[in-house]
Amino acid sequence: NAGVTQTPKFQVLKTGQSMTLQCAQDMNHNSMYWYRQDPGMGLRLIYYSASEGTTDKGEVPNGYNVSRLNKREFSLRLESAAPSQTSVYFCASSDRRDRGRDTQYFGPGTRLTVL
Amino acid sequence: QQQVKQSPQSLIVQKGGIPIINCAYENTAFDYFPWYQQFPGKGPALLIAIRPDVSEKKEGRFTISFNKSAKQFSLHIMDSQPGDSATYFCAAQGGSEKLVFGKGTKLTVNP
Repeated sequence: NAGVTQTPKFQVLKTGQSMTLQCAQDMNHNSMYWYRQDPGMGLRLIYYSASEGTTDKGEVPNGYNVSRLNKREFSLRLESAAPSQTSVYFCASSDRRDRGRDTQYFGPGTRLTVL
Repeated sequence: QQQVKQSPQSLIVQKGGIPIINCAYENTAFDYFPWYQQFPGKGPALLIAIRPDVSEKKEGRFTISFNKSAKQFSLHIMDSQPGDSATYFCAAQGGSEKLVFGKGTKLTVNP
């Protein structure tokens, strides 16, 4: 099992460019999440998907869109990148059937720089 | 609104010391309190978790202490090692709600 995989690992964008961050999990989890991590700010939830076909906003959704393509894949799109979106992005998945509580499994992250 | 307050933001100890990281919460509906460990360049991973029906849980050198009346819980690392240097996140969850994370503590264990 690869767990949660993310592509790309690193990306540099110019202001105004668009890109999609890809995430896939092979654990048959229902729920998937996108977080951003900035120094001193912890993990901030951008969007999540409780199950295939549903998505909901998290704490910091502005400037982002998501697509739950199928049960395995959950992508994050930046339509017009801004320097404030420079961050490390983590995808995670979870399933409450796992130990009965929401154990989240994280991917390795994508380090994004917007110039 | 920060639902889980974590302190300190950073912590430096010598090898063999016992770093303690504290978290506090307000929501009495929380009934699951995990800690995640994140090494540099990696994603966070579940380290240890506790439910409020016990006051302490140990796994190896890691111990969670839980004080339900004070709505506080803490992580202790016994005999800390340089390999324990990482960022630690506390979290909380209740009912059908999502996990809520603290802001993290960067721990450095010097040789």
